[in-house]
Amino acid sequence: DQQVKQNSPSLSVQEGRISILNCDYTNSMFDYFLWYKKYPAEGPTFLISISSIKDKNEDGRFTVFLNKSAKHLSLHIVPSQPGDSAVYFCAASATTSGTYKYIFGTGTRLKVLA
Amino acid sequence: ETGVTQSPTHLIKTRGQQVTLRCSSQSGHNTVSWYQQALGQGPQFIFQYYREEENGRGNFPPRFSGLQFPNYSSELNVNALELDDSALYLCASSLDLLRQGVEGYTFGSGTRLTVV
Repeated sequence: DQQVKQNSPSLSVQEGRISILNCDYTNSMFDYFLWYKKYPAEGPTFLISISSIKDKNEDGRFTVFLNKSAKHLSLHIVPSQPGDSAVYFCAASATTSGTYKYIFGTGTRLKVLA
Repeated sequence: ETGVTQSPTHLIKTRGQQVTLRCSSQSGHNTVSWYQQALGQGPQFIFQYYREEENGRGNFPPRFSGLQFPNYSSELNVNALELDDSALYLCASSLDLLRQGVEGYTFGSGTRLTVV
């Protein structure tokens, strides 16, 4: 039972254009969501977070949107740069007594073409 | 500030053996989580330690156990290794419990365990 799904295994985008990475979840108790980026042979790097009380959070070129009714999360990267080429994971947690057990999706490989 | 360091980087073990993986948290971080990432999958939560106590566990059998030390470094122990335990094991630390919602974790580069 996969509670966090990233249905697109890969995505290619031209440099300078928008990259949109999507994530769906099934558990309505999830209240914190994270996006991570992973380069080969490195651990995942935290990008941006959003809590369920918000529907948007921005940090520079990265914006995360949360649609709770659709149980859908998306990450927008504008403008995309070749250095953004990596695997992107979304993760969600239902917080219980201060414990965060993040459940990760399977990742989307983004390739930004120069 | 130093990040999260894990050792060893690669390891090959035989089925039935035991293994200990080590993790040094980022300076000042008192919360450590361990994740298993199988090939082509996202990381799966094994357990979390906060100030030397286990603070949550995922769907892993008891042969997966851990420790956190007073300096907040941590160990993951796996007994009776099975072929399916072959994976990348990631350690992640955070400044404290509540920051995980906003700041997430800092991950190490992982230990690649191969069970033959």
